[in-house]
Amino acid sequence: DAGITQSPRHKVTETGTPVTLRCHQTENHRYMYWYRQDPGHGLRLIHYSYGVKDTDKGEVSDGYSVSRSKTEDFLLTLESATSSQTSVYFCAISSPGPDNEQFFGPGTRLTVL
Amino acid sequence: GESVGLHLPTLSVQEGDNSIINCAYSNSASDYFIWYKQESGKGPQFIIDIRSNMDKRQGQRVTVLLNKTVKHLSLQIAATQPGDSAVYFCAETHTGGFKTIFGAGTRLFVKA
Repeated sequence: DAGITQSPRHKVTETGTPVTLRCHQTENHRYMYWYRQDPGHGLRLIHYSYGVKDTDKGEVSDGYSVSRSKTEDFLLTLESATSSQTSVYFCAISSPGPDNEQFFGPGTRLTVL
Repeated sequence: GESVGLHLPTLSVQEGDNSIINCAYSNSASDYFIWYKQESGKGPQFIIDIRSNMDKRQGQRVTVLLNKTVKHLSLQIAATQPGDSAVYFCAETHTGGFKTIFGAGTRLFVKA
């Protein structure tokens, strides 16, 4: 998975609790992304980062926040988890340039009860 | 296993046959297209890409065709093997862009 790890890989939590997912890369790629994957929707972008402390919203950012204090780590936080946030979450990385294909981590399965 | 893809279009092929997976993309401004393969329990994996100034690109056992007139992309897999069983996604973006649009995916089953 191109030097990308995600933690935890599985998590079960209760509605209303805060949850933080971590993405760690060893590739020194500048761009990092968080996606969620749900049946019938494919991959949808939550937030992305184009550098340390530089982040922006994707198409489904409500209820999520992110932080990137160093190149290798990108954190996704659910401030107060809801059942609609039960999903599989993928982190991805890419670099600037014409071939900006994204490389994905192994995913985190989150269940909110 | 993963619950993703319960309602995906499905293609079932016999081992050794060729597979063709199709995708319609949405943005005329997209100039870079990628095919990903996702196996159960794993993240999507890059297979092959193509730029909008090309109609065809070949890799090892895979070929991508691009028809910009009808905004259509296809992935051809030659001599399909059981290890090719997975969900395949097309993706579109533009050079230097941050946002990539992913298709919903097609599940490929390979029968031995």
